[in-house]
Amino acid sequence: ETAVFQTPNYHVTQVGNEVSFNCKQTLGHDTMYWYKQDSKKLLKIMFSYNNKQLIVNETVPRRFSPQSSDKAHLNLRIKSVEPEDSAVYLCASSQERYAEQFFGPGTRLTVL
Amino acid sequence: GEQVEQRPPHLSVREGDSAIIICTYTDSATAYFSWYKQEAGAGLQLLMSVLSNVDRKEEQGLTVLLNKKDKRLSLNLTAAHPGDSAVYFCAVSARDTNTGKLTFGDGTVLTVKP
Repeated sequence: ETAVFQTPNYHVTQVGNEVSFNCKQTLGHDTMYWYKQDSKKLLKIMFSYNNKQLIVNETVPRRFSPQSSDKAHLNLRIKSVEPEDSAVYLCASSQERYAEQFFGPGTRLTVL
Repeated sequence: GEQVEQRPPHLSVREGDSAIIICTYTDSATAYFSWYKQEAGAGLQLLMSVLSNVDRKEEQGLTVLLNKKDKRLSLNLTAAHPGDSAVYFCAVSARDTNTGKLTFGDGTVLTVKP
């Protein structure tokens, strides 16, 4: 049963455009994450929020910015996409920082 | 920072055989260990997780072993069936990072042939 929802499922855009991805969790968790999965299936943490506060900001380009309106939502904006941004972006949530993380289905971004 | 190595990258077994995937990690402060399954076009499904005070955990045909001395974590699928075909990831977290962020292995593509 899905409890971490992501929209859109897919997005195709051109270099230089701005995109925004949404994530919502209905589990009542306090912590949410964004991960990037590249074409080789490698997974890397990008951001983590705990109760709307940023607690992890890995070395990602400044064109990426997370946005959290409340602890159930964590969006990701990319200001000016580049070809290397093509990937699957996975959102996850956990009850606390060291608890099990539950993932959404992902948003696949293709940059032409 | 934490480094996680996962092997093998590809694994093919016959239906009914066991499949074993191994991860090694470097940070002795690693305290949380988990395994995920990713089917084609889908997100990550949590299979099992253990904390560092657990050496062995079994659930529904899956066995997770943790050897803290060797910094090794394994997943054993007993009696694999074709529905187990997917990519499997180990993921670990160290308590002293104060973040809970997971460091993933590179994944194992498991194929179970009828």
